[in-house]
Amino acid sequence: DIQMTQSPSSLSASVGDRVTIACRASQSISSYLNWYQQKPGKAPKLLIYTASSLQSGVPSRFGGSGSGTDFTLTISSLQPEDFATYYCHQTYSTPRTFGQGTKVEIK
Amino acid sequence: EVQLVESGGGLGQPGGSLRLSCAASGFTFRSYSMNWVRQAPGKGLEWVSYISGSGTTTYYADYVKGRFTISRDNAKNSLYLQMNSLRDEDTAVYYCARDWTYCGGDCYSWVDYWGQGTLVTVSS
Repeated sequence: DIQMTQSPSSLSASVGDRVTIACRASQSISSYLNWYQQKPGKAPKLLIYTASSLQSGVPSRFGGSGSGTDFTLTISSLQPEDFATYYCHQTYSTPRTFGQGTKVEIK
Repeated sequence: EVQLVESGGGLGQPGGSLRLSCAASGFTFRSYSMNWVRQAPGKGLEWVSYISGSGTTTYYADYVKGRFTISRDNAKNSLYLQMNSLRDEDTAVYYCARDWTYCGGDCYSWVDYWGQGTLVTVSS
């Protein structure tokens, strides 16, 4: 099974900050990597697919990069509605594993 | 508008069974693969199972293999998860989730829509 490891597990940031979340795969997954945002009590929401493609309707302050084993989700200027938990998810092979999540909290 | 509405959650006994359903609307259901993803209280997302649009291909996570069965009825636009031999650790919100596949050389997939989830609690 491919293990997905996110870092950090949590972070505190202020509105307007640039935030970076890392996701590492235990083996190469090419660009089969997607990012989701989840708010408490809600279903996850797709942000980024194939590592760097922005889902329709998602603000352009969200960006993804990487290929192979190392990936990054960047929020260029954190907004109040961005405080949430973020997950990476590989679809290179089954089982389709998720990272453990990164909780972005208000500083 | 794409809608996925799960039902069938509730209290299940250890060793018992539950059947989850997901009613799909707003898209051509038979054209899309589907997934079940779960989330234990206060924990992260955990992929459970996948089924192709025709229903001929299925995959399972090791922790449910042999106990859970995914199926679909394309005539009824419905996805199912039959859960047998329930364990305490199966307690979670279960999400029905649509797969989008793009093929341009290689084929890439991602989950693009999620239901609101249904809570399964396994307890005696």
